[in-house]
Amino acid sequence: AQSVTQLGSHVSVSEGALVLLRCNYSSSVPPYLFWYVQYPNQGLQLLLKYTSAATLVKGINGFEAEFKKSETSFHLTKPSAHMSDAAEYFCAVRLANQAGTALIFGKGTTLSVSS
Amino acid sequence: DSGVTQTPKHLITATGQRVTLRCSPRSGDLSVYWYQQSLDQGLQFLIHYYNGEERAKGNILERFSAQQFPDLHSELNLSSLELGDSALYFCASTPGTPSGANVLTFGAGSRLTVL
Repeated sequence: AQSVTQLGSHVSVSEGALVLLRCNYSSSVPPYLFWYVQYPNQGLQLLLKYTSAATLVKGINGFEAEFKKSETSFHLTKPSAHMSDAAEYFCAVRLANQAGTALIFGKGTTLSVSS
Repeated sequence: DSGVTQTPKHLITATGQRVTLRCSPRSGDLSVYWYQQSLDQGLQFLIHYYNGEERAKGNILERFSAQQFPDLHSELNLSSLELGDSALYFCASTPGTPSGANVLTFGAGSRLTVL
């Protein structure tokens, strides 16, 4: 069965610093991968998704992620953190050959940004 | 506003009681997913409906049930409530055409507190 592991439940960075949130997946077949963001007291919002096209995926708010099959990773990055990026981030996976199946989410990583 | 509407936003009830959470998907979306978010378990998939039919079950307790009505809104029924059922319950919807690349659009959630 597919699964997702997010390394680090909490990441702290300074404003302007690089943001790196780690996600590793487990899947026996090609996966679709997603990053979602959850701001306090809100629902989840899609940041970006990988669906077997370009391995480097650009999302909203300056975030991007790179699919690396050899490392089974889909890490999320942003060159320069902003205070407004403070939120919880979730990586999720769905098998590419199972249309309509539910997303399996990681445990989430809370990003803190200090000035 | 994501277009997915969940009511109520907050609900406080006592152990042993029964509650119903309601979800209206985005206009045109045929699939509805229910997730439970708690501090210890993270985001857990509960159940998936497509155009009125149950498609998949996740970690849903027998005390919980759901249905999707002809107008495509969905209800999640939670009965014999326990303290451990306190959580955020999210509904998400996807477009009608099944595709693994479909993005789940989440509602703002219903926060259930069981006292």
